Amino acid sequence: EVQLVQSGAEVKKPGATVKISCKVSGYTFTDYYMHWVQQAPGKGLEWMGLVDPEDGETIYAEKFQGRVTITADTSTDTAYMELSSLRSEDTAVYYCATGRRPNSRYMDVWGKGTTVTVSS
Amino acid sequence: QSALTQPASVSGSPGQSITISCTGTSSDVGGYNYVSWYQQHPGKAPKLMIYDVSKRPSGVSNRFSGSKSGNTASLTISGLQAEDEADYYCSSYTSSSTWVFGGGTKLTVL
Repeated sequence: EVQLVQSGAEVKKPGATVKISCKVSGYTFTDYYMHWVQQAPGKGLEWMGLVDPEDGETIYAEKFQGRVTITADTSTDTAYMELSSLRSEDTAVYYCATGRRPNSRYMDVWGKGTTVTVSS
Repeated sequence: QSALTQPASVSGSPGQSITISCTGTSSDVGGYNYVSWYQQHPGKAPKLMIYDVSKRPSGVSNRFSGSKSGNTASLTISGLQAEDEADYYCSSYTSSSTWVFGGGTKLTVL
């Protein structure tokens, strides 16, 4: 069974950096892209970016470019999303989600989400 | 990249059919057959319901169907059931090699 296990909730101060992990099991890590999606309280889904674990290549949404870094560690089958210069608007649930390489253009398995609260 | 446009809410009675629209541009919905739909119950992660415009993943009820015409994609749910009450999001691959979601539609089963 494919599973994505995300790290626990975080509370950060404005200006800080948060790094969330997403450990996969049940499939070959390098066979799937890993997407990251933000959902602010009461709001919709927003695509942040993805990493291709096969070669580490990343694509980021323009909105998050320069503040987000997505990486993949093939030695531990874990993907990471780091968001810097946090502000209150970054308070949200962050999801990791997979998409089969190389041709899928959808997200078929999702993690349960990690809540990040940004507050002084 | 602007979000795709969905109605904020739709409703229907059990047994009825409803359709949720998702309007984009020729750079996303209209340019590719890569529209997907996700169902999200409160407090839960999204679940893939439709991919590549009209394909259903294994395990998803055939009451869910998808289509596309021009820059607008649609999700139809037939034989509405109480458990279908949820938020629904469309998503599309874009010409910038990125993805974009719709604003979401709240489905109420009356």
